[in-house]
Amino acid sequence: GEDVEQSLFLSVREGDSSVINCTYTDSSSTYLYWYKQEPGAGLQLLTYIFSNMDMKQDQRLTVLLNKKDKHLSLRIADTQTGDSAIYFCAEIVGGYNKLIFGAGTRLAVHP
Amino acid sequence: DGGITQSPKYLFRKEGQNVTLSCEQNLNHDAMYWYRQDPGQGLRLIYYSQIVNDFQKGDIAEGYSVSREKKESFPLTVTSAQKNPTAFYLCASSPRTGGVEKLFFGSGTQLSVL
Repeated sequence: GEDVEQSLFLSVREGDSSVINCTYTDSSSTYLYWYKQEPGAGLQLLTYIFSNMDMKQDQRLTVLLNKKDKHLSLRIADTQTGDSAIYFCAEIVGGYNKLIFGAGTRLAVHP
Repeated sequence: DGGITQSPKYLFRKEGQNVTLSCEQNLNHDAMYWYRQDPGQGLRLIYYSQIVNDFQKGDIAEGYSVSREKKESFPLTVTSAQKNPTAFYLCASSPRTGGVEKLFFGSGTQLSVL
């Protein structure tokens, strides 16, 4: 079946690193995505990783993929108050652009 | 500026009423999608369209209808058959009908029942 799971809430101190975790079930997923949603807004693509990669780094963002355990994580270095948002993990399934989304992790950054 | 425009931002529906949510894109994208977002849940696919005059049901199409008469437009009608319509509705588009492409999202419409 198709399912993506995330913890619903994460609180971190400003300047610390945040790690948001995700597990997925479809081993045939070719790409996995991280989207960010700010209040009352649509989703913004943050980054994605191809399934044959273990890691991808993009400035403050690091994505780690453990394909054996079907585990994906997003690390945000030096977390800022502007990073407060909901972060969605998603996997692509099927031959078209069908994305299966997790429920989203709400990241709260406090001073 | 290119992008996806959803309107209205807030919409209220009365009992037994059909309402239509607008989605317009000027990105020249082939594929368009409608998702529903409920608190504490992931986005769920309602309908998608890969080409003009064609569309397919997603996972939760019951109580909804769409049309794709123009490449730029993909309106969603929430019919009276949808008994629990209160949700945040997101429209998205992507530049190709197959393969890996990134979805571009609109800013959403919050639909509430009066």
